[in-house]
Amino acid sequence: EPEVTQTPSHQVTQMGQEVILRCVPISNHLYFYWYRQILGQKVEFLVSFYNNEISEKSEIFDDQFSVERPDGSNFTLKIRSTKLEDSAMYFCASSEGTEETQYFGPGTRLLVL
Amino acid sequence: AQSVTQPDIHITVSEGASLELRCNYSYGATPYLFWYVQSPGQGLQLLLKYFSGDTLVQGIKGFEAEFKRSQSSFNLRKPSVHWSDAAEYFCAVRSNFGNEKLTFGTGTRLTIIP
Repeated sequence: EPEVTQTPSHQVTQMGQEVILRCVPISNHLYFYWYRQILGQKVEFLVSFYNNEISEKSEIFDDQFSVERPDGSNFTLKIRSTKLEDSAMYFCASSEGTEETQYFGPGTRLLVL
Repeated sequence: AQSVTQPDIHITVSEGASLELRCNYSYGATPYLFWYVQSPGQGLQLLLKYFSGDTLVQGIKGFEAEFKRSQSSFNLRKPSVHWSDAAEYFCAVRSNFGNEKLTFGTGTRLTIIP
């Protein structure tokens, strides 16, 4: 069964550093998403992406965040200058269409020190 | 704005007992509703979803959920739980007007005792 994959599974970084989280969505999916889950809190939507453009973003997704689909298979989330409060589990998801189910990857646990 | 409430933070049930996890949503129309499960160290796996039609939906692993419009609820049930069902369960809602984001509840942690 096809699945969403994410790398790395864990990342530790120093405050102020840039990090790039990578995702490989399911191959025939067209819509891509990032969510995050701060420890002990709910899963929160960050951004959705379609046709090489952001289609929707939350208030969390400020200028320090960016997303990109650099090639035909990867979907990345970049955090330019990490803050302590960026420490969270980041989930990538993909779907065939806006009406379709979103399938989630296993997540990347980011720890900012 | 859409929102989801899962009133039970933690539930403990005996193996073989029945289970019901509560979910209430707030949304102006009929939303799309989902239950996801997260096992320790794992991602979110879809258990079941409701888009329209029959209000009782069947999912994987023997789970079912019933959409009750009058109560704005979408409770998850299983007649007999197994030790492997121990996990965190998330209810989520999505608009049916092309808004793509899922809004999640805070989750219910399920513990199974022998």
